[in-house]
Amino acid sequence: DVKVTQSSRYLVKRTGEKVFLECVQDMDHENMFWYRQDPGLGLRLIYFSYDVKMKEKGDIPEGYSVSREKKERFSLILESASTNQTSMYLCASSFRGGGQPQHFGDGTRLSIL
Amino acid sequence: GENVEQHPSTLSVQEGDSAVIKCTYSDSASNYFPWYKQELGKRPQLIIDIRSNVGEKKDQRIAVTLNKTAKHFSLHITETQPEDSAVYFCAASIGAGANSKLTFGKGITLSVRP
Repeated sequence: DVKVTQSSRYLVKRTGEKVFLECVQDMDHENMFWYRQDPGLGLRLIYFSYDVKMKEKGDIPEGYSVSREKKERFSLILESASTNQTSMYLCASSFRGGGQPQHFGDGTRLSIL
Repeated sequence: GENVEQHPSTLSVQEGDSAVIKCTYSDSASNYFPWYKQELGKRPQLIIDIRSNVGEKKDQRIAVTLNKTAKHFSLHITETQPEDSAVYFCAASIGAGANSKLTFGKGITLSVRP
């Protein structure tokens, strides 16, 4: 069974801090994704990666960056956290190519004070 | 880019009745359409998917139909049960390349009344 593990379920940080969210998958998936989930807005793609050291912007990349140094790990970085980045963050992974189902982690509820 | 819309945003049905959730997409090149179920406080989980070369797919009480001409696809749940209560997301993707990605709808909250 696919396992996508996010490092924290809940996280509280302060405005201006640099925040790291970590995601690890154990299925040798090439693709990894970071989404943000807000009520009424669904799942919005922040960044994704289809290979080590490769990344592509999603629909809402502003204020975020990512790092993929190893195939199994994908990090989301908030360079200078702001209150409007308070949200649920979901990581997902899949095999490469079209028509591949994505498998999600449990999410990190991030609060920026 | 692709735009996926779900209607309605909430749906309430009586236990035992059927529920139909519809999604529309904008890009006729879309070729993969998964449905995810997210229970309260849990991760989204894939429940069924369909590819553009198929018109309908069934798995026990759930089915998905695809109308490529009208660019819409629907999730059908028969004999609904309280445990079907959740948020349901549809999605669409284009292409077969390495950077193919999903575009999700905003989600529909299904409530099944006992």
